Amino acid sequence: EDKVVQSPLSLVVHEGDTVTLNCSYEVTNFRSLLWYKQEKKAPTFLFMLTSSGIEKKSGRLSSILDKKELFSILNITATQTGDSAIYLCAVVGGGSNYKLTFGKGTLLTVNP
Amino acid sequence: EAQVTQNPRYLITVTGKKLTVTCSQNMNHEYMSWYRQDPGLGLRQIYYSMNVEVTDKGDVPEGYKVSRKEKRNFPLILESPSPNQTSLYFCASSKLAGAGQETQYFGPGTRLLVL
Repeated sequence: EDKVVQSPLSLVVHEGDTVTLNCSYEVTNFRSLLWYKQEKKAPTFLFMLTSSGIEKKSGRLSSILDKKELFSILNITATQTGDSAIYLCAVVGGGSNYKLTFGKGTLLTVNP
Repeated sequence: EAQVTQNPRYLITVTGKKLTVTCSQNMNHEYMSWYRQDPGLGLRQIYYSMNVEVTDKGDVPEGYKVSRKEKRNFPLILESPSPNQTSLYFCASSKLAGAGQETQYFGPGTRLLVL
């Protein structure tokens, strides 16, 4: 059974701090790993990672995948209160089902 | 605007009263899926569809049905809802064109309360 573990489960920081969110996985026939941001609504897509060692970047957010060690990290620099959300990591496994297996998420709270 | 829509957004019902939650996407995506999200359990897949008339069970299919008669629509049917189906439901869709195409885009969610 595919498994995704995120850490920490929750994190409280001050504006301007840098945070690193972790995601480790066990999956049969890995296809890709995705990061989503969920505020009080639907998850919104941040990044898709398929290759090891290639950093994806979008503004203050960046992410990288290590397929050998089976983990990914999501970095957020110079955090803002608008970054407060649940960050979800999901993997797409092999087989005929393109199912996303989600971790339980990291709740990030950024205080002013 | 490319999007996944769901209706209704909020629903309160009683045990045993059949209901349908609609899902529609305008991105010509082959793949569609339903998830439920519960505190402490995260998002879990209920059913998915690889294309028209092709559906299959996810991790938690009990008590649910789906159909895929048209590419854009993927309704979720609860024939006899029970309180343990109280949850937040998301529909999602993606292309299946090849490697790296499987990013799933989510609808706004349907919050269901079964009394």
